[in-house]
Amino acid sequence: DIQMTQSPSSLSASVGDRVTITCRASQGISNSLAWYQQKPGKAPKLLLYAASRLESGVPSRFSGSGSGTDYTLTISSLQPEDFATYYCQQYYSTLSYTFGQGTKLEIK
Amino acid sequence: EVQLVESGGGLVQPGGSLRLSCAASGFTFSSYEMNWVRQAPGKGLEWVSYISSSGSTIYYADSVKGRFTISRDNAKNSLYLQMNSLRAEDTAVYYCARDRGIEYCSGGSCSLLGVGYFDYWGQGTLVTVSS
Repeated sequence: DIQMTQSPSSLSASVGDRVTITCRASQGISNSLAWYQQKPGKAPKLLLYAASRLESGVPSRFSGSGSGTDYTLTISSLQPEDFATYYCQQYYSTLSYTFGQGTKLEIK
Repeated sequence: EVQLVESGGGLVQPGGSLRLSCAASGFTFSSYEMNWVRQAPGKGLEWVSYISSSGSTIYYADSVKGRFTISRDNAKNSLYLQMNSLRAEDTAVYYCARDRGIEYCSGGSCSLLGVGYFDYWGQGTLVTVSS
């Protein structure tokens, strides 16, 4: 299975900050990467796919980049509603999708 | 409005069985590939199983292979997960999730191809395996 490693595991930031979360795959995944946001007690929400494509309705302050094994999610200016846990997911391996362990974004 | 509503969770003893259901509405269920994803309490997301739109292709995570069975009834707009030989480590919230899909057209006809990421999720149903 392809292992996905996110960093950091947790992050404290303030409203208005720019934050970056990193996701590293154990092998190249050719941009087959999605990012999700999950708030407590809620289902995950799709933010981006194909590493950098914004899902419809998602604010443009969210962006993604990367290639090969290394990918990033950037939030350009944190809003109060952005404090949540973020997960990356690879879908390069169609027999076994895998998620990162999550990054909890907390208010400083 | 797309809706996915899971049911069937509950408390079950180790070694027991449970059948989860996911009722879909607001979209053409028979056109979409579907998945089950679970989340242990306080932990991250784990993909569990996939089923193609027709039900002819199925995949499982190694952790559930041989114990869980995914199925669907397109006439009833429903997805299922039969869970047997349950273990304590199967304790989790189980979500059904729709593959976002991409439309592919050729020769005047179009179909939806799976892409591997999930655009709609249910609210989840909690399965607790404990004696």
